[in-house]
Amino acid sequence: ETGVTQSPTHLIKTRGQQVTLRCSSQSGHNTVSWYQQALGQGPQFIFQYYREEENGRGNFPPRFSGLQFPNYSSELNVNALELDDSALYLCASSLSLSNTEAFFGQGTRLTVV
Amino acid sequence: RKEVEQDPGPFNVPEGATVAFNCTYSNSASQSFFWYRQDCRKEPKLLMSVYSSGNEDGRFTAQLNRASQYISLLIRDSKLSDSATYLCVVIPGGGNKLTFGTGTQLKVEL
Repeated sequence: ETGVTQSPTHLIKTRGQQVTLRCSSQSGHNTVSWYQQALGQGPQFIFQYYREEENGRGNFPPRFSGLQFPNYSSELNVNALELDDSALYLCASSLSLSNTEAFFGQGTRLTVV
Repeated sequence: RKEVEQDPGPFNVPEGATVAFNCTYSNSASQSFFWYRQDCRKEPKLLMSVYSSGNEDGRFTAQLNRASQYISLLIRDSKLSDSATYLCVVIPGGGNKLTFGTGTQLKVEL
């Protein structure tokens, strides 16, 4: 158990809808990163939050947005869902920006139909 | 060209075999290197960090060649429980934004 929890674990949405995924980071960790893992691929970096501010973004469109709260938990929001958004969404927390060890949650499996 | 490239496999090996995975990365400024293990439909978990001097953890040995931008993982005396996908991970700069390869699938058979 990493202490990182994500909710929900599974989700089915219709194309065009919006979705919010949640992540509770490990205690004391102020850095949260989100990754998208399509079937048969490695995880792809979406963005990172540090102390409630976005700290870097991968090659994802603006309809992917995020938020980090004062308790360092985080949300990933995706608007106008597309079929290709179907994937495992992983949240990882780290002790700080300079700490390279990332602890992953179990992921949210999103299916867009 | 992908930032981190791996042979996706699958590698099917008998129990007790030695198997080696390779990975190349494109950013010569990369500073940190790891192998993660991912079981089917689960989250990735850190297997080991990789250093230029090479490092060993039990049956697992990792090696980094900065000049060739090449990372390797050697598993000796394979166990059934080693069956998983092994992800090569690079941090291109400072910080902790991870860049993953596609993963190499290992199946250890009786």
